[in-house]
Amino acid sequence: DTAVSQTPKYLVTQMGNDKSIKCEQNLGHDTMYWYKQDSKKFLKIMFSYNNKELIINETVPNRFSPKSPDKAHLNLHINSLELGDSAVYFCASSQDWGGSNTDTQYFGPGTRLTVL
Amino acid sequence: AQSVSQHNHHVILSEAASLELGCNYSYGGTVNLFWYVQYPGQHLQLLLKYFSGDPLVKGIKGFEAEFIKSKFSFNLRKPSVQWSDTAEYFCAVNRDRGSTLGRLYFGRGTQLTVWP
Repeated sequence: DTAVSQTPKYLVTQMGNDKSIKCEQNLGHDTMYWYKQDSKKFLKIMFSYNNKELIINETVPNRFSPKSPDKAHLNLHINSLELGDSAVYFCASSQDWGGSNTDTQYFGPGTRLTVL
Repeated sequence: AQSVSQHNHHVILSEAASLELGCNYSYGGTVNLFWYVQYPGQHLQLLLKYFSGDPLVKGIKGFEAEFIKSKFSFNLRKPSVQWSDTAEYFCAVNRDRGSTLGRLYFGRGTQLTVWP
């Protein structure tokens, strides 16, 4: 029944490794997002896709690459992990881009990434 | 710089006390406003949102918020809190148009602890 799901929930890895976080939504939404929540609990948008097309790409290192195989999935691949990448990563989705910001974003449970 | 401020980082109340959490934003122009809640170990859930119309918005679980445009504020209130309201509360804003379209800007969150 989960609307927006993410895997894994926890991810512990060494510096320099490459890892992926997967996100799926079963709400039929057109737009998906990735947010990063740092240790001070600031939530900041990283990427947004609408119908598999990149819409928002904030100032995020090139090591982060989102991939949307279809509009129900938005995965986040991170290359050459660094200590500063340790954070909680949230996926979200909303109904429609449509040029309006009135659509509610529904969030996944988060993935806690720890880089050692 | 555009920002969302939540001045209370941690609020501690006894059950039945009244709650008001402050949220101020620094954007000009039309904005859409949201309050999200994150219960321990759970994902972000929408409490309420304001797009237009009556500036007093009612949400789930007895929460309400008032948009005061002149003060750039959207404070969250509840007349009588319960132990189950213990959670992290996030205020978020997006703009209705322009280059920031689609971006939700979050405050750093307020941890509410309610003692039984």
